[in-house]
Amino acid sequence: GNSVTQMEGPVTLSEEAFLTINCTYTATGYPSLFWYVQYPGEGLQLLLKATKADDKGSNKGFEATYRKETTSFHLEKGSVQVSDSAVYFCALSDPLNAGNNRKLIWGLGTSLAVNP
Amino acid sequence: DAGVTQSPTHLIKTRGQQVTLRCSPKSGHDTVSWYQQALGQGPQFIFQYYEEEERQRGNFPDRFSGHQFPNYSSELNVNALLLGDSALYLCASSLEGRDTQYFGPGTRLTVL
Repeated sequence: GNSVTQMEGPVTLSEEAFLTINCTYTATGYPSLFWYVQYPGEGLQLLLKATKADDKGSNKGFEATYRKETTSFHLEKGSVQVSDSAVYFCALSDPLNAGNNRKLIWGLGTSLAVNP
Repeated sequence: DAGVTQSPTHLIKTRGQQVTLRCSPKSGHDTVSWYQQALGQGPQFIFQYYEEEERQRGNFPDRFSGHQFPNYSSELNVNALLLGDSALYLCASSLEGRDTQYFGPGTRLTVL
């Protein structure tokens, strides 16, 4: 079945360090890929997305490129801040669902802690 | 532009009781999806509503039911609560034909 695998956390970095959070997926068809962020005690916020192969999503200094050949969508940021501390979720829209508004399939999340 | 809102924020119930959670979608959105997020886990899809009908459903028992109103707002009902139903319940809205879902802050349900 369709699935998303994320690197396990927690990830602990110093401020201004480079961040990579790995995400790989298994899917038939052509899913859209998403990164969501969840700050402590809050709901999920869309961080970025990509809808087709080689697309790059970007927002707030974060980037991820849809790599169909490696079935990956790794999240990167060149210089993290303390305020980036949160849980990051990779997700795909289930390509098996007919039509649009396909349900999202999620990874387990990766916790990031950034120290001053 | 109001985002997705959910009520209540927190709820405590005992086993066997019933609960109703509410969601108002982002302005202009017509599709509502519900997810259950257990502690330390990713969200799990419960079901999706469009045009007041359940359009998709995940692997949840019939104890979980929902409704969508003509103004696109939605309710999630859970009957005969179990301890394992304790979780954060998230509502997401989207526009028909679009993949991107926008989430509310969630309702934290604790079953004792």
